[in-house]
Amino acid sequence: EAQVTQNPRYLITVTGKKLTVTCSQNMNHEYMSWYRQDPGLGLRQIYYSMNVEVTDKGDVPEGYKVSRKEKRNFPLILESPSPNQTSLYFCASLALAQNTGELFFGEGSRLTVL
Amino acid sequence: QKEVEQNSGPLSVPEGAIASLNCTYSDRGSQSFFWYRQYSGKSPELIMSIYSNGDKEDGRFTAQLNKASQYVSLLIRDSQPSDSATYLCAATSWGYSTLTFGKGTMLLVSP
Repeated sequence: EAQVTQNPRYLITVTGKKLTVTCSQNMNHEYMSWYRQDPGLGLRQIYYSMNVEVTDKGDVPEGYKVSRKEKRNFPLILESPSPNQTSLYFCASLALAQNTGELFFGEGSRLTVL
Repeated sequence: QKEVEQNSGPLSVPEGAIASLNCTYSDRGSQSFFWYRQYSGKSPELIMSIYSNGDKEDGRFTAQLNKASQYVSLLIRDSQPSDSATYLCAATSWGYSTLTFGKGTMLLVSP
């Protein structure tokens, strides 16, 4: 089954404790992206990657890091989480070659930073 | 800053009516436009894409694009309670380097 898998789905942590949200896709998609979704602010792009070892900032990259060492994985790293990073996070992937623009989303990771 | 604007709603329509959702975008370089549906607590899913001026129909859904006016719309005919969701408009330039989403319009279809 074609899917984007995020882990953990739910996490409560404390300020300053480094955490990683993993994202893996099994569709051999070149493009992967992280979004955060907040009430009243919609989906905002954090980082994206056009292919292995190619990453770029989205609209709200501050406080986040990413890496793309393998095509299937695109982890989101919060080195020192703060309460303003409490949000619902979505990972998504897209097949650039198919040119449909269809983003496949993971189920989301709800993060609370105390 | 590329922006996609949507009325947050909620837009309330009775079952069987036509729901009309609208979206404007700021970047004249945008080439591809998408409508995603997001049920509460779920991830977005693509329902329509449109690339050329005019109308594109798929079942009960019709997407309309007017690049001169920088305007995209989604019509849902014969609305059903199961259509109740938040509809996200998105735009990108060629290459999909950044896909910008609007904040979404909540649609409520009452039986």
